[in-house]
Amino acid sequence: AQTVTQSQPEMSVQEAETVTLSCTYDTSESNYYLFWYKQPPSRQMILVIRQEAYKQQNATENRFSVNFQKAAKSFSLKISDSQLGDTAMYFCAFMKNFGNEKLTFGTGTRLTIIP
Amino acid sequence: DTEVTQTPKHLVMGMTNKKSLKCEQHMGHRAMYWYKQKAKKPPELMFVYSYEKLSINESVPSRFSPECPNSSLLNLHLHALQPEDSALYLCASSPQTGGGTEAFFGQGTRLTVV
Repeated sequence: AQTVTQSQPEMSVQEAETVTLSCTYDTSESNYYLFWYKQPPSRQMILVIRQEAYKQQNATENRFSVNFQKAAKSFSLKISDSQLGDTAMYFCAFMKNFGNEKLTFGTGTRLTIIP
Repeated sequence: DTEVTQTPKHLVMGMTNKKSLKCEQHMGHRAMYWYKQKAKKPPELMFVYSYEKLSINESVPSRFSPECPNSSLLNLHLHALQPEDSALYLCASSPQTGGGTEAFFGQGTRLTVV
C-alpha cells in the first residue's frame, strides 16, 4: 500500500514571497504519478501540478514548480511570487500507473498568504 | 465546459431518510468517482465507475449505493445513514481511469446526518 506524508500542517507566508511545501511518499512501485491539488474555501479540489515518475525533469506550471527526488521519495511544491488567491489547503497525492485509479492523498498543508 | 456540477450543495437528513446526491459532467469523461472528506482530513475514495460500470468499491457500507445511469451522470443514494457519515462528498471525473489522468472535482455536497 502507498502512503503519503505531509509534515507541515500549517504554513503562512507574506504575499509575493516564495514558499515550499513538503511531501514524502512510500511505495514499491517504479512507475506512478504524483500530484499537488489545492482546495480553497470554495471546497473544490483543483489540480496544481502533475509529475510522472519516469520523467526526471521537474514539472513547472507558471509560478508553481516541484522538486521531485525519486530516490528519496520526496515531492515538494514551490510557489513563487505568492498571491492571496493561493490561500488554500494543499494536498499531495499519489496514483499508481496501471490498474488502480485511486488517488491516495496526504493529510494536507493549510497555506495562508498574508497581505 | 470543464465543470463537474454537484447538487445539492448542502443536505441535512435524518437517520431514517432516503436521499440522493447528484453529479454531472459534460466533458465526455468516461471515469467518475465518489470521495468522502471528513473535516480537516484528506478525501478518501469510495467508488469508481469506468465506462458506466462500477470498477472499484472501497468496502463502503451498503447504506451508500452508487449509480451511473449514463456517461454524464453519477448518483449516490443514501439510506439509513449514521451521524458519523456527516462529511463533504466530492464527485470527480477524468477522461479515463489510470494513466495519471487529471481528475476534475466538483464543489461537493456538505452532508449532515441528524
